[in-house]
Amino acid sequence: DQQVKQNSPSLSVQEGRISILNCDYTNSMFDYFLWYKKYPAEGPTFLISISSIKDKNEDGRFTVFLNKSAKHLSLHIVPSQPGDSAVYFCAASAIMGSQGNLIFGKGTKLSVKP
Amino acid sequence: DVKVTQSSRYLVKRTGEKVFLECVQDMDHENMFWYRQDPGLGLRLIYFSYDVKMKEKGDIPEGYSVSREKKERFSLILESASTNQTSMYLCASSSGTGLRKNIQYFGAGTRLSVL
Repeated sequence: DQQVKQNSPSLSVQEGRISILNCDYTNSMFDYFLWYKKYPAEGPTFLISISSIKDKNEDGRFTVFLNKSAKHLSLHIVPSQPGDSAVYFCAASAIMGSQGNLIFGKGTKLSVKP
Repeated sequence: DVKVTQSSRYLVKRTGEKVFLECVQDMDHENMFWYRQDPGLGLRLIYFSYDVKMKEKGDIPEGYSVSREKKERFSLILESASTNQTSMYLCASSSGTGLRKNIQYFGAGTRLSVL
């Protein structure tokens, strides 16, 4: 059973507009969430993370929002650029009692059109 | 910067061959992981290791084994390669302590084709 779900396999956005990627989780023990970006033929690269004690974390054009009651997080990219076109993976973990294992969603392919 | 190096970017092997995928990290990380990535299935954990000579099964360990003789090196072994093991293999490492232990750093991946 999937514990981390990215329900949109793909998303297409115009350059300069906002991209919103969504992620849902089922395990209430998760308390740390990460987003990774992956280009074809490359490994995923860490983008941004958020702890469950926060509801927002911002890094430049990237902002992650966490809604614990809904078990939902989202990644906002503003403004979107063609170089942002990649597959984005959401991941979750439990900090306490964990050796750092991550549970990944299946990914959302973002296409930013010029 | 953390560097995770996978020995091969592309490999072509025949069914039944024994295949070794090597991974080296230079950040003295305790934790190392092997994943495979397939279209529509995301990243699936094969094996992981918290320390030298330690290994734990992930979600899909069947047909694979691992070896961690040194802290910086984690090897994935396909004992007898099969066509359903054609995939992108990704190695990752993470620190064993603190908040950042949950941030995994990935290698560039090995695209394995089994014919």
